[in-house]
Amino acid sequence: AAGVIQSPRHLIKEKRETATLKCYPIPRHDTVYWYQQGPGQDPQFLISFYEKMQSDKGSIPDRFSAQQFSDYHSELNMSSLELGDSALYFCASSRSRGDTQYFGPGTRLTVL
Amino acid sequence: AQRVTQPEKLLSVFKGAPVELKCNYSYSGSPELFWYVQYSRQRLQLLLRHISRESIKGFTADLNKGETSFHLKKPFAQEEDSAMYYCALKGGPGSGNTPLVFGKGTRLSVIA
Repeated sequence: AAGVIQSPRHLIKEKRETATLKCYPIPRHDTVYWYQQGPGQDPQFLISFYEKMQSDKGSIPDRFSAQQFSDYHSELNMSSLELGDSALYFCASSRSRGDTQYFGPGTRLTVL
Repeated sequence: AQRVTQPEKLLSVFKGAPVELKCNYSYSGSPELFWYVQYSRQRLQLLLRHISRESIKGFTADLNKGETSFHLKKPFAQEEDSAMYYCALKGGPGSGNTPLVFGKGTRLSVIA
């Protein structure tokens, strides 16, 4: 069965650069969630989208923005990167609001 | 406030021994509880959800509303069970598009 796809798998950036992470949900899933997992930490919710509209907002820095497109894929844009942004960024999708979330493999971002 | 507590950071057991990973939660309404497993450097995988009342890979978990617990159990641990286990909570039906709140995780190490 198709799973959540995230691109890229690994990304290395320097401080103050920008990064864009992409997430392709499972087909027919209309809801996307972004989570950040720092080294040795539990995943922390950043932001979610339902039917291309922002649905919920967690601990997402103002330097980050995200959107969901007409094909339901989502992009997380990160600017003015800091060393503390180094983490594993997971995307999850669900069939509808409140349904079970299925996670992608994550994008490992390293900021040097 | 929503909170998930996993009191054990690390649990080491011998192969064939019973396993219990503890999870307690705090939630004002009617939550949905999940267990996710993360094998080394891999994605978060859904293991169990309390509404399904199923057994996956020999694991079971029962929601105890009186004790606000959702402990994960397996009668005979296998080496391949070694992984990071996260207990997670979200609002139940009618609460909308709520994100997951994760516990800090318990690392299970099964020793041969």
